[in-house]
Amino acid sequence: DAKTTQPPSMDCAEGRAANLPCNHSTISGNEYVYWYRQIHSQGPQYIIHGLKNNETNEMASLIITEDRKSSTLILPHATLRDTAVYYCIVRVPSVSGGYQKVTFGIGTKLQVIP
Amino acid sequence: AAGVIQSPRHLIKEKRETATLKCYPIPRHDTVYWYQQGPGQDPQFLISFYEKMQSDKGSIPDRFSAQQFSDYHSELNMSSLELGDSALYFCASSLLRISGNTIYFGEGSWLTVV
Repeated sequence: DAKTTQPPSMDCAEGRAANLPCNHSTISGNEYVYWYRQIHSQGPQYIIHGLKNNETNEMASLIITEDRKSSTLILPHATLRDTAVYYCIVRVPSVSGGYQKVTFGIGTKLQVIP
Repeated sequence: AAGVIQSPRHLIKEKRETATLKCYPIPRHDTVYWYQQGPGQDPQFLISFYEKMQSDKGSIPDRFSAQQFSDYHSELNMSSLELGDSALYFCASSLLRISGNTIYFGEGSWLTVV
């Protein structure tokens, strides 16, 4: 599986954009980049995913570099409720169709500061 | 929108007892995943089922077993409980054969072994 590298922690001022980087230099052409977050002791929450193009939804934007070796999750206006551990995950296609489980590595602990 | 439902939310058992956790996936989802998260750790994949058949297996102890039923709900059975089994157990579900097949997590079941 393609491995990901994220900074262990980041701070962000409330109301500012939070930019969370992720390196996935060994990613293959058919592997998706997924972002999840986990607020303390709650279930991991899906944020966004992408393959090649940049993606945006109501929660965040995902910017994937042209060579797909890295990506950035952007929370446009961070709030205190965005304080969580953010996981960047690369998902591998399954031989039986669809994609495999998500494997959590060491994510980024984002602290939003008032 | 309906989410993944887990029960019970909290469970206290004594050593060597047996515990059963239940998971009800999002309607029409055909794949169920189980994860274990110990204190201060990232979620670890245990096992998954697709269309009632085991599809993938992770670091699930031999004392644990799981199955997916005809209505797609799943149960995780844990026997001969040990103190180290105390953890937050997540169930997740997805619809396998769609592009990217996003996995959605439940809120978890807290198991405390005393």
